Amino acid sequence: EAQVTQNPRYLITVTGKKLTVTCSQNMNHEYMSWYRQDPGLGLRQIYYSMNVEVTDKGDVPEGYKVSRKEKRNFPLILESPSPNQTSLYFCASSSPGLARDEQFFGPGTRLTVL
Amino acid sequence: SQKIEQNSEALNIQEGKTATLTCNYTNYSPAYLQWYRQDPGRGPVFLLLIRENEKEKRKERLKVTFDTTLKQSLFHITASQPADSATYLCAGMDSSYKLIFGSGTRLLVRP
Repeated sequence: EAQVTQNPRYLITVTGKKLTVTCSQNMNHEYMSWYRQDPGLGLRQIYYSMNVEVTDKGDVPEGYKVSRKEKRNFPLILESPSPNQTSLYFCASSSPGLARDEQFFGPGTRLTVL
Repeated sequence: SQKIEQNSEALNIQEGKTATLTCNYTNYSPAYLQWYRQDPGRGPVFLLLIRENEKEKRKERLKVTFDTTLKQSLFHITASQPADSATYLCAGMDSSYKLIFGSGTRLLVRP
């Protein structure tokens, strides 16, 4: 089944404790991205990647890191999480043949930073 | 700053009527606009895409328009059903491949 998977789905952590949220897609997509969704603010892009070893900042990159060492994986790293990073996070990917048109989203990761 | 704006108030309509949702963009020139459906606690699901050189696109009961003069897209669901109740997101991508989403409009279809 074609899908985007994220792990963990739920995470409660404390301020300053480094964490990684994994994202993997099995559709051979070139384009992958991370978003956070907050009430009233909608989906905001954190980072995106157009291919392996190519990443770019979205609208809200501060406090986050990403890497794209393999085509299928695009982990999101919070080196020192803070309470304002409490949010619902989505990973997405899209088809190379369609020039990053339709985004396929993962199920989401709900992160709480205490 | 670049913005995609959608009506934050919920749209409440009777089953069988046409729902029309609005998406406006400012300080921005999207090469195309996308519409997604999002159910509570789930990731958005792609519905339709319309390019800047297209006026209208249809898919079953869905229709989307793109007016570059008004800087606006309209999303229509005809013969709406209670199962259409969800939040609908508009998103635009420009030539830099950065995708900007609106905050979404919640649609409630009453039986």
